[in-house]
Amino acid sequence: AQKITQTQPGMFVQEKEAVTLDCTYDTSDPSYGLFWYKQPSSGEMIFLIYQGSYDQQNATEGRYSLNFQKARKSANLVISASQLGDSAMYFCAMREGFWTGNQFYFGTGTSLTVIP
Amino acid sequence: NAGVTQTPKFQVLKTGQSMTLQCAQDMNHNSMYWYRQDPGMGLRLIYYSASEGTTDKGEVPNGYNVSRLNKREFSLRLESAAPSQTSVYFCASSEGTVPSNQPQHFGDGTRLSIL
Repeated sequence: AQKITQTQPGMFVQEKEAVTLDCTYDTSDPSYGLFWYKQPSSGEMIFLIYQGSYDQQNATEGRYSLNFQKARKSANLVISASQLGDSAMYFCAMREGFWTGNQFYFGTGTSLTVIP
Repeated sequence: NAGVTQTPKFQVLKTGQSMTLQCAQDMNHNSMYWYRQDPGMGLRLIYYSASEGTTDKGEVPNGYNVSRLNKREFSLRLESAAPSQTSVYFCASSEGTVPSNQPQHFGDGTRLSIL
């Protein structure tokens, strides 16, 4: 079974609108961390936001927020006020367990295109 | 700040040749990772090293070997390259403290083509 599932291969959003990128995960470990990364066409991986399994509140970082629904095992990324520079691939990832040395699992990504 | 440095950035090999991809980080991180990225597949973990002196297989280790040379350096070796190993390879590192919300920091990638 896939550890991380991203069901939207491609998404389009109008500039200045908000967009939600879906991510569901599968784990039986009560301790885990969820991460979102952005990969622009230049290829580098940029960390955006983190949510821990024990965090009570949804994570926010500037225009990025994470809609964490633990019972549904979903961790959707919300980008508010989209900008042209937000056009990129977005990857959801999970680290199982408490230790940062553990494996990270990545989804297959969602390609976001922001339309002027 | 250098962060995670990968060399080379591009490489073309012939089937059967060997090569080593180098990775070094200057953030004093304990954990290091090697991934490959193929179209439509996301990032798949090849090997990782939770701390200096240890290495473990990831999701797709076949055809690869790794060496954690010291805390800074983690190399990936292809002993006999195959066309199926054509990919973009990323090295990453992360903190080793517990508990931690620290993400992985990635290098810029190595684009490897095997003919």
